[in-house]
Amino acid sequence: DVKVTQSSRYLVKRTGEKVFLECVQDMDHENMFWYRQDPGLGLRLIYFSYDVKMKEKGDIPEGYSVSREKKERFSLILESASTNQTSMYLCASSLQSDITEAFFGQGTRLTVV
Amino acid sequence: GQNIDQPTEMTATEGAIVQINCTYQTSGFNGLFWYQQHAGEAPTFLSYNVLDGLEEKGRFSSFLSRSKGYSYLLLKELQMKDSASYLCAALDSNYQLIWGAGTKLIIKP
Repeated sequence: DVKVTQSSRYLVKRTGEKVFLECVQDMDHENMFWYRQDPGLGLRLIYFSYDVKMKEKGDIPEGYSVSREKKERFSLILESASTNQTSMYLCASSLQSDITEAFFGQGTRLTVV
Repeated sequence: GQNIDQPTEMTATEGAIVQINCTYQTSGFNGLFWYQQHAGEAPTFLSYNVLDGLEEKGRFSSFLSRSKGYSYLLLKELQMKDSASYLCAALDSNYQLIWGAGTKLIIKP
């Protein structure tokens, strides 16, 4: 079974804190993605990566950065958390040779107070 | 701009059939996905259509009309466990997924 694991299900952080969200996949997928999911809105792409040390901005990269030092791990960093970054964060991965199916992690519900 | 529209919420009865519609406008098109997401869980893949027509997979079927920018997900013999959100997403010319906001399906006994 493909597994995409996010390090935390729930996180509460203070405004201004630096926050790290970790995602690990065990299927040797080249592509990895970070989305946020908010009520009434579709999933919005923050950043994606097609290879180690490679990153591309998605639709809403402001206030975020990412790191992909190893193929299996894709980290999302909130440089200085703000209350408008309270959201559900979803990590996904897929094969480069088969983009027709993405596998999602369980999500991290982040609350910034 | 790019846009995906689907109803916010639908209600259906256990054992019945329900059709969830999705219309899309994207720059280029490389296929249409449906995902199921139970509350508090990860989205899971249901179907992918790139050619016109109906694809059947057990109780679930997905239809695509490229000329109309339209798809639907058909769920038959509804079960209580089908209560979930159903996400429609289109793959654009850059192979980026454009997501709808999701349709929350409520199944009543």
